[in-house]
Amino acid sequence: AQSVAQPEDQVNVAEGNPLTVKCTYSVSGNPYLFWYVQYPNRGLQFLLKYITGDNLVKGSYGFEAEFNKSQTSFHLKKPSALVSDSALYFCIYNFNKFYFGSGTKLNVKP
Amino acid sequence: DTGVSQNPRHKITKRGQNVTFRCDPISEHNRLYWYRQTLGQGPEFLTYFQNEAQLEKSRLLSDRFSAERPKGSFSTLEIQRTEQGDSAMYLCASSGIGDEQFFGPGTRLTVL
Repeated sequence: AQSVAQPEDQVNVAEGNPLTVKCTYSVSGNPYLFWYVQYPNRGLQFLLKYITGDNLVKGSYGFEAEFNKSQTSFHLKKPSALVSDSALYFCIYNFNKFYFGSGTKLNVKP
Repeated sequence: DTGVSQNPRHKITKRGQNVTFRCDPISEHNRLYWYRQTLGQGPEFLTYFQNEAQLEKSRLLSDRFSAERPKGSFSTLEIQRTEQGDSAMYLCASSGIGDEQFFGPGTRLTVL
């Protein structure tokens, strides 16, 4: 079955340090991959997407993601974490509808 | 605000009752999606409309669930004879020309 996997339920990082939230995919053909963020009591918000082209995708709020075909990964990264980045992050595969990963809770501590 | 809106935001009901949720998408978007999110899980697809046509339904959507989008604008999701297992956050999203989906804040259902 085609899917995305987020191997970490939670990631803890200190403010100012780089962060990585991991995602691997298992899809046939060209994967359409997204990252969304979910803050408490707010709707899911789009961060970035990979369709084709450059493997390094830049998105909102300073986030970026690297598409790696050989490792079937699409990790989300940010050079310097902020406390306000603390939220739930979802990796998503799009094929007519969204297939969500299980989510990774990011905790950024001051 | 021209984003996706959902009403009500919260619904508490007793087992066996019927409930109906409404979603108003972004006005120019022709595609509308419903997802369900339970605690600690990622959202799961329920159903999808293109204009007024319901193009796909998940196997998660039992016979007690029905969704409509009668004029290709707002949509309703009805759950009949609610069960405790129906307790979840119900999310609506819409999309237009691109692949990006815009999500509403969700309706949290609690079945007692």
